[in-house]
Amino acid sequence: DIQMTQSPSTLSASVGDRVTITCRASQSISTWLAWYQQKAGKAPNLLIYKASSLESGVPSRFSGSGSGTEFTLTISSLQPDDFATYYCQQYNSYWTFGQGTKVEIK
Amino acid sequence: QVQLVESGGGVVQPGRSLRLSCAASGFTFSSYGMHWVRQAPGKGLEWVAVISYDGSNKYYADSVKGRFTISRDNSNNTLYLQVNSLRPEDTAVYFCAKGYSTSDYWGQGTLVTVSS
Repeated sequence: DIQMTQSPSTLSASVGDRVTITCRASQSISTWLAWYQQKAGKAPNLLIYKASSLESGVPSRFSGSGSGTEFTLTISSLQPDDFATYYCQQYNSYWTFGQGTKVEIK
Repeated sequence: QVQLVESGGGVVQPGRSLRLSCAASGFTFSSYGMHWVRQAPGKGLEWVAVISYDGSNKYYADSVKGRFTISRDNSNNTLYLQVNSLRPEDTAVYFCAKGYSTSDYWGQGTLVTVSS
């Protein structure tokens, strides 16, 4: 099974900050990686697919990069609506999620 | 518009069973693979199972293999998850999600609580 490891688990930041979240796969998954945002009590929302493709309707301040085993999600200028938990997901072999990164207000 | 509505959750004793449903609308259900994902209270997302568009292929997480069964009824646009031999650690919100690779649509979830 493919394991996904996200870091950090929690991130404290201010509005306007540039934020980067890292995700590492236990084996190569090419670019079969997605990023989701989840707010409390809600379903996850797809942000990025195929490692770097922006889902329709998602603000351009979100971007993804990486391939193989190392991936990053970057928010270029954090907005109030972005305080949430973020998950990476591999879909090279079924699905596996990272443990999540909670972005908190500093 | 795409809608996925889960139902069937509730409070159940350990060892008992439930059948969860996911009613789909707004897209051609029979053309898409579907997943179940769960989230224990205060925890992260855990993939549970996937079924191909025609129901011919099914795969499960090791944690539920042999106890849970995913199925679908394409004539009624409904996805199912039969959950047997429930354990306290199965307590979670269960989401259905559209799509075999990534998922652009998820339901709002149904809560299963396993407690004596």
